[in-house]
Amino acid sequence: ETGVTQSPTHLIKTRGQQVTLRCSSQSGHNTVSWYQQALGQGPQFIFQYYREEENGRGNFPPRFSGLQFPNYSSELNVNALELDDSALYLCASSLGGVTNTEAFFGQGTRLTVV
Amino acid sequence: AQSVAQPEDQVNVAEGNPLTVKCTYSVSGNPYLFWYVQYPNRGLQFLLKYITGDNLVKGSYGFEAEFNKSQTSFHLKKPSALVSDSALYFCAVRGFSGSARQLTFGSGTQLTVLP
Repeated sequence: ETGVTQSPTHLIKTRGQQVTLRCSSQSGHNTVSWYQQALGQGPQFIFQYYREEENGRGNFPPRFSGLQFPNYSSELNVNALELDDSALYLCASSLGGVTNTEAFFGQGTRLTVV
Repeated sequence: AQSVAQPEDQVNVAEGNPLTVKCTYSVSGNPYLFWYVQYPNRGLQFLLKYITGDNLVKGSYGFEAEFNKSQTSFHLKKPSALVSDSALYFCAVRGFSGSARQLTFGSGTQLTVLP
């Protein structure tokens, strides 16, 4: 196990609702990244937080937002859910500022939008 | 923009035979390259990385990968496949600065090892 934990593991929401996903990073890691993995595809980068600041963002609309807390845990918020938001959401923690280190992933949150 | 291509959606190999999962990349500057494995309904597990140095990198569970700069490839290999190696494999690249420091993944290759 990586030490990165995500909650909840599964979630079902209705189109138009809002959702919050949570991630606890591995001890000693100050950077958290979020990825969306649609069925049959590779993970797509949503955004990254480093020391509580957003430090990069992928091609996702503003209704995808996040937070990082002083203990380096993080939240991903998605507003106005759409059916296409159904996916596995992965959180990864790493040591920021050191680009040659690997990222460690949580088990993911499976979001289903109906 | 950086990118990764995994040209094979599916690779089948008999148990005990060598396996290769292919990956090519595109990135500005020197690449940082990674392989991850994903089992059903699970997150990604780190296998190995290339940062610099020896072109042959050894990782977890007997896997290794060969970095070839001229061919911009980073193929994953294992000398003798096990049924338990059956899983989804992702190659990823990370650039050196700015937004390129994020991981960019390929589309994945489903490896099936047949008993």
